[in-house]
Amino acid sequence: GENVEQHPSTLSVQEGDSAVIKCTYSDSASNYFPWYKQELGKRPQLIIDIRSNVGEKKDQRIAVTLNKTAKHFSLHITETQPEDSAVYFCAASRAGGSYIPTFGRGTSLIVHP
Amino acid sequence: KAGVTQTPRYLIKTRGQQVTLSCSPISGHRSVSWYQQTPGQGLQFLFEYFSETQRNKGNFPGRFSGRQFSNSRSEMNVSTLELGDSALYLCASSPRQGITYEQYFGPGTRLTVT
Repeated sequence: GENVEQHPSTLSVQEGDSAVIKCTYSDSASNYFPWYKQELGKRPQLIIDIRSNVGEKKDQRIAVTLNKTAKHFSLHITETQPEDSAVYFCAASRAGGSYIPTFGRGTSLIVHP
Repeated sequence: KAGVTQTPRYLIKTRGQQVTLSCSPISGHRSVSWYQQTPGQGLQFLFEYFSETQRNKGNFPGRFSGRQFSNSRSEMNVSTLELGDSALYLCASSPRQGITYEQYFGPGTRLTVT
């Protein structure tokens, strides 16, 4: 089955700095890679996603890059703000057939004012 | 539109008992997926229902089951509860089948097994 590794498990940055979270996956058939943000005590929320036919996607201060050859994808947050503090999860899945969407273990991002 | 709702929000059960959790998706969404979230294992996929049919199932024992009704509401049942079943159970809805489309999560049901 699919295996998703996520690093780092904890990331501490100063407000205004950039933050990068990386995930690797094992199943080359995976073709959908979402990122979720989960604030303490709240539900996960999709913040950005990328499909395997795209190498990069941006949405304001957030971007995701995908390297299919190396089987890794990364979340980039620029100009971090205290409200970005949360746990971020990556995931890998694919359409069709019998699949089990697989999540990374999460990265706790702490943005210090 | 109203978001995904889950009931109850908190549950305390004893080992050996069974429990039923409910999820109401966003209006118009026909796909409902269930997840278990624990500090040790993270987020794990349980199963997905679409048009009242289970479309996919994760690696959980048969004690975990679910169903979906014609109005797309879904229930999840866990029989013969074990201490390790203590977790946050999340459901997510999507307008189309499969989790390769945007999923909207509910607030979760916190299950504690004593």
